[in-house]
Amino acid sequence: GESVGLHLPTLSVQEGDNSIINCAYSNSASDYFIWYKQESGKGPQFIIDIRSNMDKRQGQRVTVLLNKTVKHLSLQIAATQPGDSAVYFCAELSLGGFKTIFGAGTRLFVKA
Amino acid sequence: KAGVTQTPRYLIKTRGQQVTLSCSPISGHRSVSWYQQTPGQGLQFLFEYFSETQRNKGNFPGRFSGRQFSNSRSEMNVSTLELGDSALYLCASSLSGGHTEAFFGQGTRLTVV
Repeated sequence: GESVGLHLPTLSVQEGDNSIINCAYSNSASDYFIWYKQESGKGPQFIIDIRSNMDKRQGQRVTVLLNKTVKHLSLQIAATQPGDSAVYFCAELSLGGFKTIFGAGTRLFVKA
Repeated sequence: KAGVTQTPRYLIKTRGQQVTLSCSPISGHRSVSWYQQTPGQGLQFLFEYFSETQRNKGNFPGRFSGRQFSNSRSEMNVSTLELGDSALYLCASSLSGGHTEAFFGQGTRLTVV
């Protein structure tokens, strides 16, 4: 499949464990922060977003935490499954700019 | 409904040539964004179109251009290709742009030799 990034930070977790993927962002004026998942050979897929005036949002098996003080975003995946293996990107969006800026990505390996 | 369709999936070009890539957004989506993805630089924003108008542009040279048609389909063109233009080019569509849930196509893998 496609090689998304040869030198990405890598997180390796055991199936069933929880995963935490971290991201530092740059623009304190961004309106939304988003997590995308990219599997080999595919384009990025939206997972969850959080508005800048929130600090936590939960989805199905995923939770996003936003710490604006230190410009830090994290994605927590509960009970990680082999199908969660992918590259995860954080992204920031300023509504008026119609432009989404992506972080470098983290590769998640799930060991069965 | 059909997803975002990018054509072609793979392309090999020679330095100095030009190339045109196509993106058909999800039906009803009027915003199309283009990104370049490379191992070294990650996903970089190229430009965004809405109703045939470019609303924002990334930091790429003028060799990279795009357009959008009245049916929201978009094309991007790269002229005078360089080896460094080898990348996966992704397009994403959303209802109106500035929307968090953008839907990506599978990309066009361009190799410049």
